[in-house]
Amino acid sequence: GESVGLHLPTLSVQEGDNSIINCAYSNSASDYFIWYKQESGKGPQFIIDIRSNMDKRQGQRVTVLLNKTVKHLSLQIAATQPGDSAVYFCAEIWANYGQNFVFGPGTRLSVLP
Amino acid sequence: DAGVIQSPRHEVTEMGQEVTLRCKPISGHDYLFWYRQTMMRGLELLIYFNNNVPIDDSGMPEDRFSAKMPNASFSTLKIQPSEPRDSAVYFCASSFLASPSNEQFFGPGTRLTVL
Repeated sequence: GESVGLHLPTLSVQEGDNSIINCAYSNSASDYFIWYKQESGKGPQFIIDIRSNMDKRQGQRVTVLLNKTVKHLSLQIAATQPGDSAVYFCAEIWANYGQNFVFGPGTRLSVLP
Repeated sequence: DAGVIQSPRHEVTEMGQEVTLRCKPISGHDYLFWYRQTMMRGLELLIYFNNNVPIDDSGMPEDRFSAKMPNASFSTLKIQPSEPRDSAVYFCASSFLASPSNEQFFGPGTRLTVL
């Protein structure tokens, strides 16, 4: 039979609060990172990206922080809304490996009313 | 643009049958990717093409899987013979190398069930 399935970490936040989703990446040579959002029944959708020579980048209601020392990436969502409920993936890209994206396991964000 | 188009959206087949999944990338994009998503293994890259040429197929699970891209606007992923463990959602994505973000645009996926 099948082994135990992938257990997604889940983050539950109150509507209006800020959310912080974390991701550990594996390759210190990765030079580009992207956060994707995947809603139920849909394909992943680009949110924000950051290059390895940066440590912070801001978008609309979202901020990505990169800590290369500990190979850690975080996505901060301000004033979380019900529409933010989804699974969030980080992806790392090695430029020397063409366009190969490696996705993390994902975190499920649940926004409570 | 309509975005990445995949067909069919749902496919139910019996073990041993051939399955063909189709993808139309966004016009002008020069990279095309096939992914598989399962609860057990998450999102996995199977193969990707650049200018219709397969670049890396190391993620293709076994010889039962094959992918082609006969032209810039069409790609297929074929499984022959299919097995129950192939049940998953298969995503196609495309990107344009020269874009500022290297963003991959994903299609809606094909949910495959092999009985």
